[in-house]
Amino acid sequence: GQQVMQIPQYQHVQEGEDFTTYCNSSTTLSNIQWYKQRPGGHPVFLIQLVKSGEVKKQKRLTFQFGEAKKNSSLHITATQTTDVGTYFCAGLMDSNYQLIWGAGTKLIIKP
Amino acid sequence: ETGVTQTPRHLVMGMTNKKSLKCEQHLGHNAMYWYKQSAKKPLELMFVYSLEERVENNSVPSRFSPECPNSSHLFLHLHTLQPEDSALYLCASSQQRGLGTEAFFGQGTRLTVV
Repeated sequence: GQQVMQIPQYQHVQEGEDFTTYCNSSTTLSNIQWYKQRPGGHPVFLIQLVKSGEVKKQKRLTFQFGEAKKNSSLHITATQTTDVGTYFCAGLMDSNYQLIWGAGTKLIIKP
Repeated sequence: ETGVTQTPRHLVMGMTNKKSLKCEQHLGHNAMYWYKQSAKKPLELMFVYSLEERVENNSVPSRFSPECPNSSHLFLHLHTLQPEDSALYLCASSQQRGLGTEAFFGQGTRLTVV
């Protein structure tokens, strides 16, 4: 079936280091959304990318959508403790308007 | 506060019990969703309602039964659950089903089946 693969599953970083998570779809996506879920919380929408090759920034966060609209990435520069949580991508399939979720990447800040 | 409220926040139930999860959205959205979130697995879409009509049922066992009496309320009725059904159940809503609309999630119900 249709899948969105997200890697890595976990990433441990020192505060101040960068963080990146990647999503890859087996099929072309209409758009891709990114969500953040804090520990013990619920997913919160961050951004949506629609156009091929699109790049969007939110302060230290940079989101990219691939030229083929099959992959996407989220990069955080100089992580802070407030960035801790799990980041999910969710791709919208053209065919059935269904959001297909990645398994998430958990960002852990080393003490 | 996301405008989507779920109750209860925590629920422990036996395998022979019947219980219901409730979701209410105050955003004027037309689509509502039930998701199951288990550890180390992607979010699993269970049911989708658009304008109070069920539009998707992703092979969910019949022991889960959704109900959408109006566009603001969504229920998930639980009956004869199994321990593997223990998970976080998330309700979400969006302006419409499909293209371009972000999902707003409730805080979830943490369900434990004993």
